[in-house]
Amino acid sequence: QVQLVESGGGVVQPGRSLRLSCAASGFTLTTYGMHWVRQAPGKGLEWVAVIWHDGSNKYYADSVKGRFTVSRDVSKNTLYLQLNSLRAEDTAVYYCARHRVRGGIITPFDYWGQGTLVTVSS
Amino acid sequence: DIQLTQSPAFLSASVGDRVTITCRASQGLRSYFAWYQQKPGRAPNLLIYATSTLQSGVPSRFSGSGSGTEFTLTISSLQPEDFATYYCQQLNSYPFTWTFGQGTKVEIK
Repeated sequence: QVQLVESGGGVVQPGRSLRLSCAASGFTLTTYGMHWVRQAPGKGLEWVAVIWHDGSNKYYADSVKGRFTVSRDVSKNTLYLQLNSLRAEDTAVYYCARHRVRGGIITPFDYWGQGTLVTVSS
Repeated sequence: DIQLTQSPAFLSASVGDRVTITCRASQGLRSYFAWYQQKPGRAPNLLIYATSTLQSGVPSRFSGSGSGTEFTLTISSLQPEDFATYYCQQLNSYPFTWTFGQGTKVEIK
């Protein structure tokens, strides 16, 4: 069955870096677009980044552009998010999720991981 | 980017009530528009996509509709397991970005 398992969260000081991982099983990353979505404590959902199914395109929210980088390793079927120059406002649970393209139409996020908590604090 | 204005932010209702949540978008993209349910400590769960299509496994008491830039999620008869927070979502094409509404927390009256 489809599973997404995030890891790599933790407590990090402002200005430092962290890399999150999302291990996928039950499907291959080469057939789905993959996203990172975050949720600050007690707040709503914020879309962060996407990588296309073929790796050809990556898009970012303005709030993370230039600081975060999405990538993947298809041999490990794993998605990554490199978080640099971290700020207190980056504190959140980070989820990975997938989308599919059906008949040329992008579909919403049908599977999500359980999330990993990133806390940026001195 | 598309702006989404979701209302109400909080909703107090009883089991069996009919509940409606609205999302107003600065642009409409009916082929994508989605609704998610999120329970405390859990990841969001897709309920509705393409404005009105029920995701597999979602009970039929959930329905979605949309006209122009206004989209609606309706729960026809609220059940105890439906108390949660609901989010709308829209896709902005070229450059591709995704936007969530602010959320509607449905609480027990």
